[in-house]
Amino acid sequence: EVQLVQSGAEVKKPGESLKISCKGSGYSFTSYWIGWVRQMPGKGLEWMGIIYPGDSDTRYSPSFQGQVTISADKSISTAYLQWSSLKASDTAMYYCARFLGELNLFVNYGMDVWGQGTTVTVSS
Amino acid sequence: QSVLTQPPSASGTPGQRVTISCSGSSSNIGSNTVNWYQQLPGTAPKLLIYSNNQRPSGVPDRFSGSKSGTSASLAISGLQSEDEADYYCAAWDDSLNGLFGGGTKLTVL
Repeated sequence: EVQLVQSGAEVKKPGESLKISCKGSGYSFTSYWIGWVRQMPGKGLEWMGIIYPGDSDTRYSPSFQGQVTISADKSISTAYLQWSSLKASDTAMYYCARFLGELNLFVNYGMDVWGQGTTVTVSS
Repeated sequence: QSVLTQPPSASGTPGQRVTISCSGSSSNIGSNTVNWYQQLPGTAPKLLIYSNNQRPSGVPDRFSGSKSGTSASLAISGLQSEDEADYYCAAWDDSLNGLFGGGTKLTVL
């Protein structure tokens, strides 16, 4: 079964660092892009960025460039999303998802497998 | 404010046909394909339509998508109570930046 399993809920204080994970299984992890999506409480989906674990090619949404770091460790089929200094406004649900398509050819078949989501709460 | 514009809400009675629109521009929908996602309450999004009008395996044919120019639409026929969810359109822009619509909350009356 193809699946993405994300790390558990986090409660942090402003200014703290955090790294959440997304582990893929049941498919060739290095052959598909993995995207990250934010959903703030009661709000819609926001595209954060995407990484190709095969060579760590990473693209960020302009809204999130410099605010987060996306990385991957292909040896353990895991992608990461990290913050160096959290803010209260980072409180949200974060999803990883497998992207189908050829990014550089603008071939986009959507994100077909999603993680269960990781809730991040930042509060003093 | 999302670059892709969707109505915040839609509604219909069981058995009806409803459509949800997604309006963009020449630099996103106008030049790239559109995908649609369904998000049931408390769950992760699910891919509903890809490449404007293609259904992934397992998605009922009650769901259909279309695109014309800089707009796209999702149609749901034979509306069922379990279709009550949030629906999002998505597309790339010409800079390979991923875009989502603001979402449409569908209520089955």
